[in-house]
Order: sequence, then structure tokens, then C-alpha cells
Amino acid sequence: RKEVEQDPGPFNVPEGATVAFNCTYSNSASQSFFWYRQDCRKEPKLLMSVYSSGNEDGRFTAQLNRASQYISLLIRDSKLSDSATYLCVVNMARNTGGFKTIFGAGTRLFVKA
Amino acid sequence: DVKVTQSSRYLVKRTGEKVFLECVQDMDHENMFWYRQDPGLGLRLIYFSYDVKMKEKGDIPEGYSVSREKKERFSLILESASTNQTSMYLCASSLRQGFSGANVLTFGAGSRLTVL
Repeated sequence: RKEVEQDPGPFNVPEGATVAFNCTYSNSASQSFFWYRQDCRKEPKLLMSVYSSGNEDGRFTAQLNRASQYISLLIRDSKLSDSATYLCVVNMARNTGGFKTIFGAGTRLFVKA
Repeated sequence: DVKVTQSSRYLVKRTGEKVFLECVQDMDHENMFWYRQDPGLGLRLIYFSYDVKMKEKGDIPEGYSVSREKKERFSLILESASTNQTSMYLCASSLRQGFSGANVLTFGAGSRLTVL
């Protein structure tokens, strides 16, 4: 089982739609959580951190459920520019100190006019 | 903004050649990382470094080595390139360890290596 699992998609949605991505992680000792966005042939960039209380940034809402080891990203009112791959990222403490960052394989989103 | 610069965007090498991939960050970050990204496999950690002259193996270190002689520079070395090392290589840095909230990665633009 992968440490971080995502539905690879692709998700094809029309402009204005609401779309949700899910991510599960296997290590209950995971400590911090993020969503990164990666455009085609570009590097990943931080989209938002994910907190237990949930957090919102404009049209984007991230949720964390520690009990179920589940992270979600909701995009409302999708724009063409939202087309990208969304990476679920989990940091977990290492036995030797420091942190290990685990990336999901990503979920591809295509927003159509 | 933190800038992470990878020296080569595209490289084509032959099997058996030695390959150097250079990465420089300009914001005094302590941590630096090398990943490779392949379709369907996501990002996989090759090596990382938490300090100058310090290195630790990631999940797939075989066939690679690294060098960190200065804080701002982290080099990935393929001693004898093979076709299965054809990939996108991404360098990243982060501020410091010890506080997970600070461990947000900033990536370079990537180096696409093709080994023939």
C-alpha cells in the first residue's frame, strides 16, 4: 500500500463546477499536510497547508480528518486556469530526526470552457 | 521569494556517461532535496541534506550520489548514466527541520534528463 494515495483522475469538469479531490495516508504519525499544484511541464508549487480545523483560501477549501487519515481539497467555481495536477503531500517525523515528505502521485484536473 | 535554480533544463546523455545536475538556492535554507518524477509514480526522494557536507539516502539512492560543499548548493551525480535514469529531476529546498510547519518545499524548474 502506498503511503499517500490519490485518485489519479483525470477529472474533466466544465467551468463553474465544484470538484473535490481526496487523499488518504497510511501513517498515523503524520504531522503536517499540504496540497501542491503542478502545471504541465512545471515544478510543483505550494497551494495551501491543511489544518485539522479546515482552512479556506478563496475558492479553495482543504479539510483534514486525522481519525480517518483523510485529506480533501474542494475547488468551487472552477476556472480554466485551475487545470493542473494536484499533489497531496504529507510530512511525517523520522526516527532519526527531521521529517520525511511523502508525495501522492497527483490528481489531474481539466477544466473545460 | 525563494529561488531555486537548476543549471540545466534539458540534457541528453549516453549510457555510461557521468552526469552532474546542479542546484542553487538563494534564501539560506538548511534543507535541500533531490527528487525524480516519473508518470504514475509521482515524486520519489533520491537524496537529501540537512546541513553542509551532510547527506542522507532517500527512497531510491541507487545509482546516484550527491555533494553539498556549500549551504546554497546541492549537486546530484550519476556516476554512470543508464537508460532507466531517464526522468525529470527536481531539486527542492526548505527552511529548517524540527518544526514540520516550516518544512514547505520550494522547487526548482526541473532538469529533464534523457539517457540514450
